[in-house]
Amino acid sequence: EVQLVESGGGLVQPGGSLRLSCAASGFTFSSYWMNWVRQAPGKGLEWVANIKNDGSAISYLESVKGRFTISRDNAKNSLYLQMNSLRVEDTAVYYCANNWESGYWGQGTLVTVSS
Amino acid sequence: QTVVTQEPSLTVSPGGTVTLTCASSTGAVTSGHSPNWFQQKPGQPPRALIYNTDNKHSWTPARFSGSLLGGNAALTLSGVQPEDEAEYYCLLLYGGPWVFGGGTKLTVL
Repeated sequence: EVQLVESGGGLVQPGGSLRLSCAASGFTFSSYWMNWVRQAPGKGLEWVANIKNDGSAISYLESVKGRFTISRDNAKNSLYLQMNSLRVEDTAVYYCANNWESGYWGQGTLVTVSS
Repeated sequence: QTVVTQEPSLTVSPGGTVTLTCASSTGAVTSGHSPNWFQQKPGQPPRALIYNTDNKHSWTPARFSGSLLGGNAALTLSGVQPEDEAEYYCLLLYGGPWVFGGGTKLTVL
């Protein structure tokens, strides 16, 4: 059974940092692109970043470039999102998802940026 | 800034047929945009329905179908069930980045 489990969310002040993790199981993690998607409270979905299976290609949402870093550790079947210089508007549930052809999503982790 | 536009809301009767569309501010949507469709119900994560325009996942009910229609990506529900009431999102590829549409709230009434 495919499982994606996010962790690392919480309350942080504006300007602060958080590192999200996504633990993958039930599939060959090292073979798949991975994505981070977020959803602000009461709002729609917003794609944040993705990373190729071997880490050789990465793309970001324009508004997070230079602040967020996506990475992966294929030996640990884990995906990460390092979030720095956090803003109030980054408040959202953050989901990890594998490549769209596979179609699996985690349950999400809530990040709240507030003073 | 690329904008992907969906109908904000649609209403359909049980057993009816409805088509949701997904338009790109850059022009016609093509297979190169690799259109995806997702369903989301309140309090739940999104569920993938369609990938690469018209491909279904193993769990996608047969009544859902994806296509390109009149320069847009489209999701058609035939024989709508009450449980299809949900928010639906499309997703398009623009080179490296992906962009979600704003979502369509589908009401079954």
